[in-house]
Amino acid sequence: GENVEQHPSTLSVQEGDSAVIKCTYSDSASNYFPWYKQELGKGPQLIIDIRSNVGEKKDQRIAVTLNKTAKHFSLHITETQPEDSAVYFCAAYYEFGNEKLTFGTGTRLTIIP
Amino acid sequence: DAEITQSPRHKITETGRQVTLACHQTWNHNNMFWYRQDLGHGLRLIHYSYGVQDTNKGEVSDGYSVSRSNTEDLPLTLESAASSQTSVYFCASSESTSGLYNEQFFGPGTRLTVL
Repeated sequence: GENVEQHPSTLSVQEGDSAVIKCTYSDSASNYFPWYKQELGKGPQLIIDIRSNVGEKKDQRIAVTLNKTAKHFSLHITETQPEDSAVYFCAAYYEFGNEKLTFGTGTRLTIIP
Repeated sequence: DAEITQSPRHKITETGRQVTLACHQTWNHNNMFWYRQDLGHGLRLIHYSYGVQDTNKGEVSDGYSVSRSNTEDLPLTLESAASSQTSVYFCASSESTSGLYNEQFFGPGTRLTVL
């Protein structure tokens, strides 16, 4: 089955700086990669996603990049703000498969004012 | 507004007791999922259902069961609670469209402590 590794497990950055979270996956058939944000006391919420036919996707201050050959993908947050503090999860999914996500272990991001 | 709710939000129980966690969604989604969240493990799939009367085991299903008698609800039962089942449990639901990914919407979670 799929295995997703995520690094780092914790990350602290100064407000206004950039943050990068990296994930690798094992199953070359995986072709969809969502990122979820979990705020304290809440369930995860989808913030951005990318499909394997695209190398990069941006949405305002967040972007995701994908390297299919190396089987890794990354989340980039620029101009970080206090509200970006949360736990972030990457995940991998095989479309046309069985609807099951495989999650990474999570990164706790702390923005230092 | 459509939503997904979980109850109770917090539960303390004793080893060996049966516990049922409720999950209710009003989106009319066919797909429903139960995950547990533990430090260092992220979110791990316990059971999932693609529709009424359908249930499937996930990667950590031992000691858990689910039943799907209607579209809105997927209760998770711990037959005989163990300390290793102390965790935060999340329910999620998604539309059912063959092939393309359908966003999973998560509930607020239930924190379960087994003493």
